[in-house]
Amino acid sequence: ETGVTQSPTHLIKTRGQQVTLRCSSQSGHNTVSWYQQALGQGPQFIFQYYREEENGRGNFPPRFSGLQFPNYSSELNVNALELDDSALYLCASSRNRDRGSSPLHFGNGTRLTVT
Amino acid sequence: TQLLEQSPQFLSIQEGENLTVYCNSSSVFSSLQWYRQEPGEGPVLLVTVVTGGEVKKLKRLTFQFGDARKDSSLHITAAQPGDTGLYLCAGDDGTASKLTFGTGTRLQVTL
Repeated sequence: ETGVTQSPTHLIKTRGQQVTLRCSSQSGHNTVSWYQQALGQGPQFIFQYYREEENGRGNFPPRFSGLQFPNYSSELNVNALELDDSALYLCASSRNRDRGSSPLHFGNGTRLTVT
Repeated sequence: TQLLEQSPQFLSIQEGENLTVYCNSSSVFSSLQWYRQEPGEGPVLLVTVVTGGEVKKLKRLTFQFGDARKDSSLHITAAQPGDTGLYLCAGDDGTASKLTFGTGTRLQVTL
């Protein structure tokens, strides 16, 4: 069973630039959630994708957007990067959302640094 | 907005000691999960508690869900260096959409 994989593992961007982070979900999982974890804090929910549509969104501005593909992989896009966007971005997959919640399986994250 | 506060924020103890981590909220959750996260890795699920008053044991770890489903605790008996990590509680609001994570407790167990 292949786990959740994220790429890249580390990224350095300049303020104002755009970034795309990628996530491959665990085999058999159809739902992908993205979280932002600032240094020393717990993860904050960004949004969730199910059947290629956004299904729930946290308190993040529209410059945070995403996609889910037919193979259930996902992308997180952030436009007009700000210094406060520096964080660990975690992707988590789960399955059978239509049967209720199921445990999240997290990837190891992408460490984004905005300078 | 649902918030989960964990205490203590940091805990440094010696091997063999016992400890308890608390997770408190003013909101009711349909279930509560505990995760452990090690440096450079994503959180790994330890347990899910669903019923108010429920107690679950995982080797030396004991998890309890409050009767009102607003709070939870994690007790570790005879801590070992391998228990070192960031412990996170997370509440499920029942929509199957998002988890609300706590502020985290960083545990260090030394020899």
